[in-house]
Amino acid sequence: GENVGLHLPTLSVQEGDNSIINCAYSNSASDYFIWYKQESGKGPQFIIDIRSNMDKRQGQRVTVLLNKTVKHLSLQIAATQPGDSAVYFCAETYSGGYQKVTFGIGTKLQVIP
Amino acid sequence: GAGVSQTPSNKVTEKGKYVELRCDPISGHTALYWYRQSLGQGPEFLIYFQGTGAADDSGLPNDRFFAVRPEGSVSTLKIQRTERGDSAVYLCASSPLAGGLYNEQFFGPGTRLTVL
Repeated sequence: GENVGLHLPTLSVQEGDNSIINCAYSNSASDYFIWYKQESGKGPQFIIDIRSNMDKRQGQRVTVLLNKTVKHLSLQIAATQPGDSAVYFCAETYSGGYQKVTFGIGTKLQVIP
Repeated sequence: GAGVSQTPSNKVTEKGKYVELRCDPISGHTALYWYRQSLGQGPEFLIYFQGTGAADDSGLPNDRFFAVRPEGSVSTLKIQRTERGDSAVYLCASSPLAGGLYNEQFFGPGTRLTVL
């Protein structure tokens, strides 16, 4: 399933399908982007990051795509599992100086067994 | 090793009371951050410490909020004259260094503050 932007705060996908979560960031000066996963009752957990000199980065079952032209970020999760159910936040920051991180609103991913 | 810990996990207080929220960062982490997260929202930056000093407190909403980190390790977020609008989850994060290249922030589980 695909979530276009953050206007749909909840994304439901079947177990085993691929998930795509989208995010629009706001600050053109941001040069570092992070996806966090937050499970109920826990703090955000780092998933994957990408620098602005890249347009794609892959991790284990996750891929982040960055389109600086339209200030768009996406997180792709392959073969979604029940343990992937959580709220996902994109976040932006810049590498100069200390790292004040600005979080987006978040998308809730529900995996249907 | 131990991650970031926060105490208490839940705090219920009455409007007008004073509260203190504690954060124990990962040992050796120089940078410490406080965030506030309202229901259904992303974490919102409050304050950042580099060592003992508050390098950026621009996110503190007003002068009822104050944070300290006297020995460069444990930090306490203090809220005076609490208001119902202060109800939220207060998250603490730490990272090994600050400045230059990005260092991953490790988050604690948060303290859920409810002001009645």
